[in-house]
Amino acid sequence: NAGVTQTPKFQVLKTGQSMTLQCAQDMNHNSMYWYRQDPGMGLRLIYYSASEGTTDKGEVPNGYNVSRLNKREFSLRLESAAPSQTSVYFCASTGKSLDEQYFGPGTRLTVT
Amino acid sequence: QKEVEQNSGPLSVPEGAIASLNCTYSDRGSQSFFWYRQYSGKSPELIMSIYSNGDKEDGRFTAQLNKASQYVSLLIRDSQPSDSATYLCAVRSGSARQLTFGSGTQLTVLP
Repeated sequence: NAGVTQTPKFQVLKTGQSMTLQCAQDMNHNSMYWYRQDPGMGLRLIYYSASEGTTDKGEVPNGYNVSRLNKREFSLRLESAAPSQTSVYFCASTGKSLDEQYFGPGTRLTVT
Repeated sequence: QKEVEQNSGPLSVPEGAIASLNCTYSDRGSQSFFWYRQYSGKSPELIMSIYSNGDKEDGRFTAQLNKASQYVSLLIRDSQPSDSATYLCAVRSGSARQLTFGSGTQLTVLP
């Protein structure tokens, strides 16, 4: 039981490049989330998915797209990376009780 | 204005002391309240949840909720150096599926 896994762990992009961050959970959770964390800003929600086939915008969705590929996987895509997207990205999931959110180990992204 | 406010700290306490972490929220419809701990370079992990007014104790941790004052706090008794981390307050409103996080309070417990 790996919980929530994320790939890659680290990534450096040049401005304008694209990439997809992958997230998978093996806890049979319905809801999945993508956050970004910047110094002094806490966790800010980018997008979330309440169930397979549905996605909703969070607080800071601009510049990102998501795909809920199936119940296990939820990916985050940066189509044209900008330096302002330099951050640590966390994926999380939660079960029907919506109580505890389980977080992945994070992806540290730098855009130069 | 951020919906969930925390003192950013840093907060330093000596080993064995009580650490008190505070959080206020703006949405009166908030129903669920959580404290997450995040060690440097790691992901957040849930340490306490509270849903009703009053105190909830779990080992050395006590969460306190006052919905009238829109205030939730976390007390850590007998603080240990291993408690040094950033503590994030999170709030869920009504039937919403998402949490709103505060910016976190950095706690250092000095040996």
